[in-house]
Amino acid sequence: EDQVTQSPEALRLQEGESSSLNCSYTVSGLRGLFWYRQDPGKGPEFLFTLYSAGEEKEKERLKATLTKKESFLHITAPKPEDSATYLCAVQPSGSARQLTFGSGTQLTVLP
Amino acid sequence: GAGVSQSPSNKVTEKGKDVELRCDPISGHTALYWYRQSLGQGLEFLIYFQGNSAPDKSGLPSDRFSAERTGGSVSTLTIQRTQQEDSAVYLCASTALRGETQYFGPGTRLLVL
Repeated sequence: EDQVTQSPEALRLQEGESSSLNCSYTVSGLRGLFWYRQDPGKGPEFLFTLYSAGEEKEKERLKATLTKKESFLHITAPKPEDSATYLCAVQPSGSARQLTFGSGTQLTVLP
Repeated sequence: GAGVSQSPSNKVTEKGKDVELRCDPISGHTALYWYRQSLGQGLEFLIYFQGNSAPDKSGLPSDRFSAERTGGSVSTLTIQRTQQEDSAVYLCASTALRGETQYFGPGTRLLVL
């Protein structure tokens, strides 16, 4: 059974204080690992897809990396508008296409 | 609009009533997914439609839940004889034909009293 564990559950940062969110996963075969951002009362917003170990992707203050067992979402010099819940999900190889999600990390960036 | 749309945004119902939730995917997207997000929990897969293929219903929690997709576009998720534990946010996502990225709608917040 595919499993995704995210840590920490919650993270409070001062504006400008860089940090990383962790996503550990177990899957029989990985088609892709996805990062989403979710604001309160809204649906998840796509950020990144990573397909193979060693891959990295960047978008503004965010950088996602992938190993064979985990992914990190690095946040550099965060701003209050980066406050949200960050969700990690895996999609298995094979015919199934549904995503298995972690419970998320709730990030709060204080001004 | 360009994104996935869902209606209603919020639904309050009484225990035992039936509810229908609607999802309008991104135009041209062939795959459509339903997920459920309960308070404090991760998103849980419910059902997946891909083109004209038989849907993957492996995530439906009970036979009170059903979904259909008409004309390869709009989908309706139906919950019969609602229970309090059905209270959650129901999210719909769609994917392009050869894409993997699932784009989500804003969700329907269901409260069963």
